[in-house]
Amino acid sequence: DAGVIQSPRHEVTEMGQEVTLRCKPISGHNSLFWYRQTMMRGLELLIYFNNNVPIDDSGMPEDRFSAKMPNASFSTLKIQPSEPRDSAVYFCASSRAGGLETQYFGPGTRLLVL
Amino acid sequence: AQSVTQLDSQVPVFEEAPVELRCNYSSSVSVYLFWYVQYPNQGLQLLLKYLSGSTLVKGINGFEAEFNKSQTSFHLRKPSVHISDTAEYFCAVSLYGGSQGNLIFGKGTKLSVKP
Repeated sequence: DAGVIQSPRHEVTEMGQEVTLRCKPISGHNSLFWYRQTMMRGLELLIYFNNNVPIDDSGMPEDRFSAKMPNASFSTLKIQPSEPRDSAVYFCASSRAGGLETQYFGPGTRLLVL
Repeated sequence: AQSVTQLDSQVPVFEEAPVELRCNYSSSVSVYLFWYVQYPNQGLQLLLKYLSGSTLVKGINGFEAEFNKSQTSFHLRKPSVHISDTAEYFCAVSLYGGSQGNLIFGKGTKLSVKP
């Protein structure tokens, strides 16, 4: 059973460029979460979807960040334009039904914005 | 507002010694409680969770945690640690009856097991 798949695993880009992070949740899971992890702020929930619909995006830092889930097996997190302070590890997680069920995390995308 | 405090950012311990990682939370409503572990360069995985029932919860890899409502704590324990337990451990809460999916994580505790 494949776990949550994220791509790319590492991304290095220059300030001002667009960055797209991708996530494939576990088949059959209907909730998907995007997290950001930094040394300063720890692990923060950015947005989560239930049945492909965004439920809570209050953690999205600003308009430069956007997330989509066009179908049950794919989600993207886009940063445009990127800034050095966006450098972090971005995790995608999925679960069967929200916060009560176990969230399964992907391996993360390590983003460095120069 | 809800919050989670992990009192120790780093815990060094010798192999086969017992360990306790402390977690306190604040919330005006009932909560569900979780411990996740993150091994180097990996995503988080669930160790254990408390939803209801017995306040002593047993998880994977020999870990257990006890929910103490009066002290608003959910400390993680293991009676004898191994080198392979070296990792970062995160305590998290989710609101009872609230916005499902909104896990609030603590800042993490790095457990370092020395031979």
